[in-house]
Amino acid sequence: SQQGEEDPQALSIQEGENATMNCSYKTSINNLQWYRQNSGRGLVHLILIRSNEREKHSGRLRVTLDTSKKSSSLLITASRAADTASYFCATDDSRHNAGNMLTFGGGTRLMVKP
Amino acid sequence: DTGVSQDPRHKITKRGQNVTFRCDPISEHNRLYWYRQTLGQGPEFLTYFQNEAQLEKSRLLSDRFSAERPKGSFSTLEIQRTEQGDSAMYLCASSPQRYNSPLHFGNGTRLTVT
Repeated sequence: SQQGEEDPQALSIQEGENATMNCSYKTSINNLQWYRQNSGRGLVHLILIRSNEREKHSGRLRVTLDTSKKSSSLLITASRAADTASYFCATDDSRHNAGNMLTFGGGTRLMVKP
Repeated sequence: DTGVSQDPRHKITKRGQNVTFRCDPISEHNRLYWYRQTLGQGPEFLTYFQNEAQLEKSRLLSDRFSAERPKGSFSTLEIQRTEQGDSAMYLCASSPQRYNSPLHFGNGTRLTVT
């Protein structure tokens, strides 16, 4: 079953605009990660935020985490056409962290139009 | 670091046939994971190895599925008596044993069962 649920499922924006994706999850976690997937390819790790962190930045990416609401958001600033991809949040389960086994959400499909 | 390699990239088989996929992880990584991803969904965990030991298996992994990692290096995933519902992308990932290490994914094997 999917641990995380992303919102929206699909997002279409113009190049230069910001894109915000949200993720909700169900269990207690040690960390939450965001991954990107280009069509027909594997997933690429973007950023990890620990459960005791509230915000983290990496380049044009900003991730927030609210453990009280069991939610996270990923903001991509100044989007580019090359950012077109699916974005997934992934969580472990702090109740039994089986070797960093991750549970993924259903993803947000982002299209950035030039 | 040559990345995670999966073979074949595509496999078309008839219902009832057996198929085997191979994954070569990043050489320094002792953890190896198999995930399955259907169209428009996030990856679902199947199983995980630490070195040659299979430490976790999902309930999704029916008895038709078997995975091995005989020498703690490459891994194989075999599906016996394939069904149309097995059609999916099978993703392999690896990571070091360090806590909070992100997963490194291969580009997957796309299975189509006709």
